[in-house]
Parts: sequence; structure tokens; C-alpha cells
Amino acid sequence: AQSVSQHNHHVILSEAASLELGCNYSYGGTVNLFWYVQYPGQHLQLLLKYFSGDPLVKGIKGFEAEFIKSKFSFNLRKPSVQWSDTAEYFCAVNTGGFKTIFGAGTRLFVKA
Amino acid sequence: EAQVTQNPRYLITVTGKKLTVTCSQNMNHEYMSWYRQDPGLGLRQIYYSMNVEVTDKGDVPEGYKVSRKEKRNFPLILESPSPNQTSLYFCASSLDAGTSTGELFFGEGSRLTVL
Repeated sequence: AQSVSQHNHHVILSEAASLELGCNYSYGGTVNLFWYVQYPGQHLQLLLKYFSGDPLVKGIKGFEAEFIKSKFSFNLRKPSVQWSDTAEYFCAVNTGGFKTIFGAGTRLFVKA
Repeated sequence: EAQVTQNPRYLITVTGKKLTVTCSQNMNHEYMSWYRQDPGLGLRQIYYSMNVEVTDKGDVPEGYKVSRKEKRNFPLILESPSPNQTSLYFCASSLDAGTSTGELFFGEGSRLTVL
């Protein structure tokens, strides 16, 4: 069965630290990849997405992610986090059908 | 404003008392879906609908029903709620979940507690 694994459930960083959140999926075919963010008390919103082309995609608020097909990975990065980045981050995979599968989420806390 | 609207946002109920969580979107999206969010488990899909009158089970459909009589509405029905259905529920829609426009737009969430 298809699945999405997020390596870290909780991450604590100080402001200005660099961030990398891991995401791996299990599916051998073509995938559409997403990162969603959920700020405290809010609904999920799209951070960035990959469908095809350049494997390095840029999203909102300075986030980027790199699709490495050989590693089935889609890691999220940000060079310098801010306190306002405190949120829960979800990696998600759509394999071209009607189901989008989400990872368990990573809670990021940024210390001011 | 493009949005997905869920009601109620918060609900406390008792075991066995039927309830419906409504979901409405104003973006003319064909695809709609319900997820439940539980700590450490992320979002798990309950049911989804590809279009009017077309629905299918997700990964955790037990104890839930849905209907899609109109394109904009996709209510989630709990015929006989049980405590293990205590969760945060999200409705989402997409222009077409199977193509490059498969981005999901989420509602604000409905926090349900079943006593």
C-alpha cells in the first residue's frame, strides 16, 4: 500500500536556524507531491507542490523542497526559520488517482 | 472569497446521537473529501467524491456516511457516533484531485467530541 513517512514528529529550532524536514513515500510510479502547513488553530494550506519539471520547487514564505526520485524523497527546507514558522507540516502524495495520502506530520516549534 | 465552509466548528455529543457535519465549497470544484486528523496519525481519508452522486470509501470509512446531491455540498453523517470518532475533521475540495490541479483546499475544521 502507498504510504508517506515523515522522519521527525517534533522539531525544535531557534530563530535563524536552518530547517530540513524529511519526507519519503512508497510508490514506484508518477507522483504529485505536496507540502501543507497548519498554523496553530488554523486549517491546512498549501506550502508548495511538485508535478513535473525542475525537481527543486519554491513555495511561499521562503520554503523550498527537492524531489529526489531515486530516493523517493521530497524534503522541505528553509535556510532561516522565524518564530512565525511554528506550525505543523504535512507531506502529501497523490499518485494520479482520487486519493491524496498524508504523512503523520511534523510539529515545528521555533524559539524566539 | 473562495472557501470551504464547515459547520459546526465545535460539537460535543453523546454516544449514539446522530449528527451531520456540513461542508460547502464555492469554487465549483468537482472533487471533495473528508479527512480526520488524530495526533501522531496525520490526516486519514474517510470518504471522497469525484462528482455529484459519485462517492467512494477512503481509508477509514467505518461509522461514517456521506452524500453528494449537489456539487457544492458534501455532508458527513455519523449515524451512531462512538467515542473513537472523537477527532478533528476536515473537509477539502479540489478542481480535480487526479491531475495537476490536485491541490486540496481545506475547511477550517470541525472538532467533534463524543462522550
